[in-house]
Amino acid sequence: GQNIDQPTEMTATEGAIVQINCTYQTSGFNGLFWYQQHAGEAPTFLSYNVLDGLEEKGRFSSFLSRSKGYSYLLLKELQMKDSASYLCAVRDSNYQLIWGAGTKLIIKP
Amino acid sequence: DGGITQSPKYLFRKEGQNVTLSCEQNLNHDAMYWYRQDPGQGLRLIYYSQIVNDFQKGDIAEGYSVSREKKESFPLTVTSAQKNPTAFYLCASGEGDAETQYFGPGTRLLVL
Repeated sequence: GQNIDQPTEMTATEGAIVQINCTYQTSGFNGLFWYQQHAGEAPTFLSYNVLDGLEEKGRFSSFLSRSKGYSYLLLKELQMKDSASYLCAVRDSNYQLIWGAGTKLIIKP
Repeated sequence: DGGITQSPKYLFRKEGQNVTLSCEQNLNHDAMYWYRQDPGQGLRLIYYSQIVNDFQKGDIAEGYSVSREKKESFPLTVTSAQKNPTAFYLCASGEGDAETQYFGPGTRLLVL
């Protein structure tokens, strides 16, 4: 079966750096997405990786290793507004998105 | 402003009742999707459409129906056959199945 694994919850301190990991086992691979979702709201697109390596976008970076079935989202200079759930999703061989359950990130002052 | 709208924000369903959730987009996207989100689970695909007048079942289509009569609109009906409809329903659209999906604000469905 297809599976996306992420930690359920993480806690970090304002101003610090946090890394959220995602491992996947899917039928084929056509890209990996990270979305941010604040409680009760819709997911918003953060990043997309299809080749190995690091993609940097401001305070957020996303890394992919296709051979290891592994990605991480790196958040720097954490702000209170970064408290949210972070969803990892992989596009499989049928171009369908397979979603992880999300990682709830709690930022403490 | 371009975007995706969903209505209503909250919807209450009585036993045996069908209810319809609205999804409209003005992004000129060809592809539209309906997902269901339950606590502690990943998003699950209900139905998707790549083109007007055509749609396909996702992983959990039983108890749901859709139509795609216009490019901009993709309404979802939750029928009485769906025995556990309480969830957060999200509509998304994208330029195609190989493109990024963008989400509407969601509809929370509750059963009375």
